[in-house]
Amino acid sequence: ILNVEQSPQSLHVQEGDSTNFTCSFPSSNFYALHWYRWETAKSPEALFVMTLNGDEKKKGRISATLNTKEGYSYLYIKGSQPEDSATYLCASMNSGYALNFGKGTSLLVTP
Amino acid sequence: NAGVTQTPKFQVLKTGQSMTLQCAQDMNHNSMYWYRQDPGMGLRLIYYSASEGTTDKGEVPNGYNVSRLNKREFSLRLESAAPSQTSVYFCASSEWVQKNTGELFFGEGSRLTVL
Repeated sequence: ILNVEQSPQSLHVQEGDSTNFTCSFPSSNFYALHWYRWETAKSPEALFVMTLNGDEKKKGRISATLNTKEGYSYLYIKGSQPEDSATYLCASMNSGYALNFGKGTSLLVTP
Repeated sequence: NAGVTQTPKFQVLKTGQSMTLQCAQDMNHNSMYWYRQDPGMGLRLIYYSASEGTTDKGEVPNGYNVSRLNKREFSLRLESAAPSQTSVYFCASSEWVQKNTGELFFGEGSRLTVL
C-alpha cells in the first residue's frame, strides 16, 4: 500500500484568510494526483486532476500545484469563505488502476 | 443526470447476516470502485473493476465480494457481516484518460451498522 500523507489534519481560519494544504505521495511510478472537496453529508467532488510535473490548476479562488519529482502537491485557497469549509482529500495513482487517498485536511472558515 | 446511485442509504444488520449494496452509474464509465470510510482512516479501497468483466482487490477486501453485473452496475456483498464492517460505503465510477483514471464520481454513500 502506497501512503499518501496530508497536512495539516485540520485547520481553522478566519474569513478572508488565505491558506494552503500539503499532500505528499510516492513519486515512483506516478500517474496522477487528484484533489477532492468533501462537504459534510455530501459526496466527495473532484477539484483537480494533475499529471505533469509543474502542473498548476486553478478554479476560482482555489489553485493547486504539482511536483512529481519530489512527490508533493499544494492546494491554495485565496480569501477563504465560510462556504469553503469542507474536508479536502488528495489521492495519487502510482501504476495500477485505482487511487490511494490521504486522510484529508479538514478546513473550518469562520466569519 | 442521476450520476452514481447507491442503495440502500442506510442499513442495520446483525452479526452473521448477509446483504448486498447496489451501485449503478449512467455516465458510461468503464471503471467502478467500492470504498469504505471510517473515522480517522480516510477512504480505503475495497474492490474495483477497471472494466466490465474484471474485478480486483483493493486495500481492504477481506469479508467482501463484488460483482460487475454489466457496464452500469457494480455490487458489493457482505456474506457474513461483522461489527468491524460498520462503516460508510461509497461507490464511485470514472473513465480512463490515457494511463490515468479520470476524476471519480461518487455516490451518496451507504451507512451500514452491524450489531
